[in-house]
Formats: sequence, structure tokens, C-alpha cells
Amino acid sequence: DAKTTQPTSMDCAEGRAANLPCNHSTISGNEYVYWYRQIHSQGPQYIIHGLKNNETNEMASLIITEDRKSSTLILPHATLRDTAVYYCIVRVQKSGGSNYKLTFGKGTLLTVNP
Amino acid sequence: DVKVTQSSRYLVKRTGEKVFLECVQDMDHENMFWYRQDPGLGLRLIYFSYDVKMKEKGDIPEGYSVSREKKERFSLILESASTNQTSMYLCASSPKGTGSSYEQYFGPGTRLTVT
Repeated sequence: DAKTTQPTSMDCAEGRAANLPCNHSTISGNEYVYWYRQIHSQGPQYIIHGLKNNETNEMASLIITEDRKSSTLILPHATLRDTAVYYCIVRVQKSGGSNYKLTFGKGTLLTVNP
Repeated sequence: DVKVTQSSRYLVKRTGEKVFLECVQDMDHENMFWYRQDPGLGLRLIYFSYDVKMKEKGDIPEGYSVSREKKERFSLILESASTNQTSMYLCASSPKGTGSSYEQYFGPGTRLTVT
């Protein structure tokens, strides 16, 4: 799986958009970009994923550059409850067993301030 | 909303005890997972199950076993708890299918302390 690089920490004002970058310059054509987050003392939470096109769901938007070497997760109106560590993961979708395991790097600690 | 529940948030057990951690999901998911999460080591997969009575070892199965008698329930068993099994244990579920299997829904976690 391609290596990802994320900033260690970011701050955002409540109500503003939070834009979390992820660099994955060695991504290959069949690797998907996944985003998860983990609020302190809770289990991780799936947010969104994409391959080439931009994606949006009720939680966030995912913007993937045309060359796919980087992506940005956008939380359009950040709230205090969005304070969490955000993980960008790049994975080939392979079937079977342990291929489904998730491995989180260090992620970005997003702090939403009042 | 997908709901994954775990039997306890906090658990304290003694060395040598047999420990049962229960996980229940209400979304009819085929896949279920047990991970442990430790500072500096991230998430590590202990066991995976893709159907009732089916299981596969993950990266660190030693000292653990699992049981899946019903689709919605996946139990992790520590046969004889040891202090190095002190950790946060996370259960997850996902639909079957190569793509969907990476959209995993996690429970709140059980913080187990073995003394």
C-alpha cells in the first residue's frame, strides 16, 4: 500500500470548513483513498473513500487531485465534536480475510476551537 | 445507523483468568473483526470472521480465540489473560464484498487491564 503523509496537527474555528490534506505521491492506479477518524477514547469511524472522482456524503467531501498524488478531506462546517485524529489510508481492494485489515498511521489531530 | 456494541467499556481481570469480550452488530453484516490498539503500535488485527462459524487468524492471534455462533455476535476469548494483553480491544463489522469490506464500523472499545 502506498505511503501517506499527513500534518501532525491542525486547528479550525467552529463553523468554518476544515480542510485536511493527505499526500500519497506513490499511489498506484488501483489504490483507493479511505478516511477514518477517531475521537478520543472511542472506536474509529469510517468517513468516506474514493478512487478518482470527488466524493461527498453526509459527513464530508473528498477531493482527489487529477494526478491522484494527494487528497483533501473537507468537513464543511466543523463543530467541537469533530475534534479527533483523522487517518488517511491508501489501499488496494483485495478480497479475503486479513486483506481487509485496516492499518492506521499517525494521522492528523484536528482541534476545533470555539 | 450501524450500531456495534461491546459488552464492557472497562474491564479489570487477573492474570490467568479466562476473559470473554462480546461484540454485537445490528446491521446484518457478514464480516466481523477483532483488533487491539496500543500506543505506538496502532491497530492490529487479531481475528476476522466472514460468516457464522468461519474465522481467520489475523496478525496476532496467539493467546486469543474467537467464536461466532450467530451472525450478529462475535466473541473474543482470552484463554489465560496475561499482563501483555492489557490493551484497548475494538470490534468492527462490515458488509461482504471486496469494496465494502473496507468500510468498517467500530464499536466503542473495551479497555482491558490485566493485573
